[in-house]
Amino acid sequence: ETGVTQTPRHLVMGMTNKKSLKCEQHLGHNAMYWYKQSAKKPLELMFVYSLEERVENNSVPSRFSPECPNSSHLFLHLHTLQPEDSALYLCASSRGWGGAGELFFGEGSRLTVL
Amino acid sequence: AQTVTQSQPEMSVQEAETVTLSCTYDTSESDYYLFWYKQPPSRQMILVIRQEAYKQQNATENRFSVNFQKAAKSFSLKISDSQLGDAAMYFCAYRNFMYSGGGADGLTFGKGTHLIIQP
Repeated sequence: ETGVTQTPRHLVMGMTNKKSLKCEQHLGHNAMYWYKQSAKKPLELMFVYSLEERVENNSVPSRFSPECPNSSHLFLHLHTLQPEDSALYLCASSRGWGGAGELFFGEGSRLTVL
Repeated sequence: AQTVTQSQPEMSVQEAETVTLSCTYDTSESDYYLFWYKQPPSRQMILVIRQEAYKQQNATENRFSVNFQKAAKSFSLKISDSQLGDAAMYFCAYRNFMYSGGGADGLTFGKGTHLIIQP
């Protein structure tokens, strides 16, 4: 069983839809992350939450809206996406932020925007 | 901002042979972490090995070892006795030792190297 669980594994949506990606970590970590992985590009850090507070937002368009209700759960709300937003979205967690060590990743949610 | 460069988009090795994956990085920091992650077709990113920059000794984990050259900002991964299960994308990653804001937390990744194991 993976320590970081992401649902759904696959998602297809139209540009006018509203959907959400969910991430749950069972590792007792207090920092959580969203990454975007596109073909032939390095992984892009999107958002960082530490102790449920957003500490990083790397110029991500407002059509992506994160939510962290507690230290174990992280959501990425999606609305009016563009086809170029199609990618693998990876959630990760760590014991702390600021260089406390490695990140643990989920299996990702493959998003296709039509 | 830190950058990580992996110059080998794809590498191929015969089963049981040794292969070395290259990684260079750029940073003005003196304390940081370096990692190698593996991403098999199942997509989950798995930590292979980590290195603290303040440690001179190269990290080793079973068949995996690194050659960390701090002055040259080089961090290569050597896989000995390659196995079919080693086939995956391998990502080199960097992380600051201390949080400094401005998107500096989290990991900075290279573009990855696709490792093929020939039976």
